[in-house]
Amino acid sequence: NAGVTQTPKFRILKIGQSMTLQCAQDMNHNYMYWYRQDPGMGLKLIYYSVGAGITDKGEVPNGYNVSRSTTEDFPLRLELAAPSQTSVYFCASTAGTYYGYTFGSGTRLTVV
Amino acid sequence: AQRVTQPEKLLSVFKGAPVELKCNYSYSGSPELFWYVQYSRQRLQLLLRHISRESIKGFTADLNKGETSFHLKKPFAQEEDSAMYYCALSSRGGTSYGKLTFGQGTILTVHP
Repeated sequence: NAGVTQTPKFRILKIGQSMTLQCAQDMNHNYMYWYRQDPGMGLKLIYYSVGAGITDKGEVPNGYNVSRSTTEDFPLRLELAAPSQTSVYFCASTAGTYYGYTFGSGTRLTVV
Repeated sequence: AQRVTQPEKLLSVFKGAPVELKCNYSYSGSPELFWYVQYSRQRLQLLLRHISRESIKGFTADLNKGETSFHLKKPFAQEEDSAMYYCALSSRGGTSYGKLTFGQGTILTVHP
């Protein structure tokens, strides 16, 4: 039971570089989410998806993009990395809120 | 807009003492509320949900709609309860279904 798998676990980017954070789940969950976690700020929703082919912006989408071509995968794309994107990124999925979210282990990203 | 507030960033208690982690929310509809916990070097995970009225690891939380609160309580804290705790509120309906709004988090430290 892999659950939610995030890669990479750590990454250092230079300002202006791009990268994709990978997220995959094997539970056939329709709902998937990307959050960023900053100290003292809690988790902020970046983007979410309610099913393959359907995505929408969350609270802090600027500088990010997503796609959902399959139920399993929900990659997060950072274009033109900025220091403000230094954070820990969490991917999560759920079959419905009653069941709770299943979180990935996180990606710690530093932009220098 | 919905909001979740956890007024304490840090909370320290001694083993065996009662503990209460505060959570207040603002939401125009009928809320679904949750507590999530992140132990050291572990993934964020669901602790309990208000709709189940359950007790998990000795923790309980009662939804008080009059005071718009969902405080987490445990009568006798244990050292293994030391963790980061997040209160979260779920949106209902339409394409917003399943989105969680998190509070800022409270780091609980239980001293021996």
